[in-house]
Amino acid sequence: EDKVVQSPLSLVVHEGDTVTLNCSYEVTNFRSLLWYKQEKKAPTFLFMLTSSGIEKKSGRLSSILDKKELFSILNITATQTGDSAVYLCAVEIWGAQKLVFGQGTRLTINP
Amino acid sequence: DAGVTQSPTHLIKTRGQQVTLRCSPKSGHDTVSWYQQALGQGPQFIFQYYEEEERQRGNFPDRFSGHQFPNYSSELNVNALLLGDSALYLCASSFGDWTGANVLTFGAGSRLTVL
Repeated sequence: EDKVVQSPLSLVVHEGDTVTLNCSYEVTNFRSLLWYKQEKKAPTFLFMLTSSGIEKKSGRLSSILDKKELFSILNITATQTGDSAVYLCAVEIWGAQKLVFGQGTRLTINP
Repeated sequence: DAGVTQSPTHLIKTRGQQVTLRCSPKSGHDTVSWYQQALGQGPQFIFQYYEEEERQRGNFPDRFSGHQFPNYSSELNVNALLLGDSALYLCASSFGDWTGANVLTFGAGSRLTVL
C-alpha cells in the first residue's frame, strides 16, 4: 500500500529559527512529490519535486528530494509568525492522477 | 478568476442522515477530485470525476457517491452518516489531460460534523 510519513507531527519554535520538516515515502509508481501549506482550510501549493538532488527555492523556503533514500525535506529559514501552518507532503502516483498525503506537520512559530 | 468554490462551508448532521456537498471547479478546469481530511490527518483521496463519470476511486465505501454535471461542477453524497465521517471535505480541480499534480487547485472545503 502506498504510504507517506511526515515528521515531526508537531513543532514549536521561536521567530527567527530555522526548521526542517521531513517526508518519507513508499509508493509503487512515483511521479512527483509535492509540498503544500495549509493555514486555514485550502492547501496551497509550495513545491513540486521530480528529480533527486535539485533544490527548489522560494524566498525563505527550500526543498530537496532524494529518490534513492525515498525522502524529501522542507527547510524554512528565519521563520516568521506567518509561517505557522500545517505543512503537507504528498506523492503523485503515475497513472493514478491522485495524491497520497502524509499526516502533516503542524508548525507553530512563537514571537 | 474564481478558484474552486465549495458549499456549504460548515454543516452539522446526525448519525444515519445523508449529506450533499457541492463544488465548482476553477475556470478552465474540467476534472474534479474529492478528498476527506479528518482532524489532525492528511487528506485522503475519495474519487475523481471527469466527463461526468467516476474515473478513479480511493478506498471508501459505497456510502460515498458523487456526480459531475455538464458544467463540470460536482457533488459528493454521503449516505447513512457515521460519527467517523466527521471531517473537512476538500474538492480539487484540474485539467482532464493530467499534466502534473502542480495544476491541482484546492477549494477551502466543507466542514462536516456528525453528532
